[in-house]
Amino acid sequence: ELKVEQNPLFLSMQEGKNYTIYCNYSTTSDRLYWYRQDPGKSLESLFVLLSNGAVKQEGRLMASLDTKARLSTLHITAAVHDLSATYFCAVGDSNYQLIWGAGTKLIIKP
Amino acid sequence: GAVVSQHPSRVICKSGTSVKIECRSLDFQATTMFWYRQFPKQSLMLMATSNEGSKATYEQGVEKDKFLINHASLTLSTLTVTSAHPEDSSFYICSARTDTSNQPQHFGDGTRLSIL
Repeated sequence: ELKVEQNPLFLSMQEGKNYTIYCNYSTTSDRLYWYRQDPGKSLESLFVLLSNGAVKQEGRLMASLDTKARLSTLHITAAVHDLSATYFCAVGDSNYQLIWGAGTKLIIKP
Repeated sequence: GAVVSQHPSRVICKSGTSVKIECRSLDFQATTMFWYRQFPKQSLMLMATSNEGSKATYEQGVEKDKFLINHASLTLSTLTVTSAHPEDSSFYICSARTDTSNQPQHFGDGTRLSIL
């Protein structure tokens, strides 16, 4: 059974700092997704990672995937307040469904 | 591209009412649609997966007769919460995906359901 563990669950940081969110999963998968959710809103797709070593960047966010370690990271560079949100990773299982991490609530203080 | 429209965005109704939520893919054909439920400060819980023209596949613990799902076309799926009660109050989100399995699911804006 595929399980997805995300950490930390909560992160408060100052603007301008760097930090990384981790997403570990328990069994083989070649599809990993990162989503963002603002309070009271739905989910927005950020990254799709489909191969070992995949790295994608959008603005101050960079996501990577290591399928051998079953680990994905979401790195935040020089954080700004607008990045405050909850970030979810989701891993595709053999039935092409998504198994979701618990989410990381990120608060960036000025 | 890949826009999913969900409505209504907010429903407040009395206990015993049935509520229908619509999910439409506006610019692509969604062979598969998903219905999720999200409790405050929690992750998404998959309720059911529906493929166009066939019966929905419900996750364990989700009552089929309580949560009726219809996916009659490639652009429309509906979730009907029948005889809703306060414990059904939640944030319901639909998502849609094309036939290309690696593509991300695209999410509707969600429906906040409050049963009094």
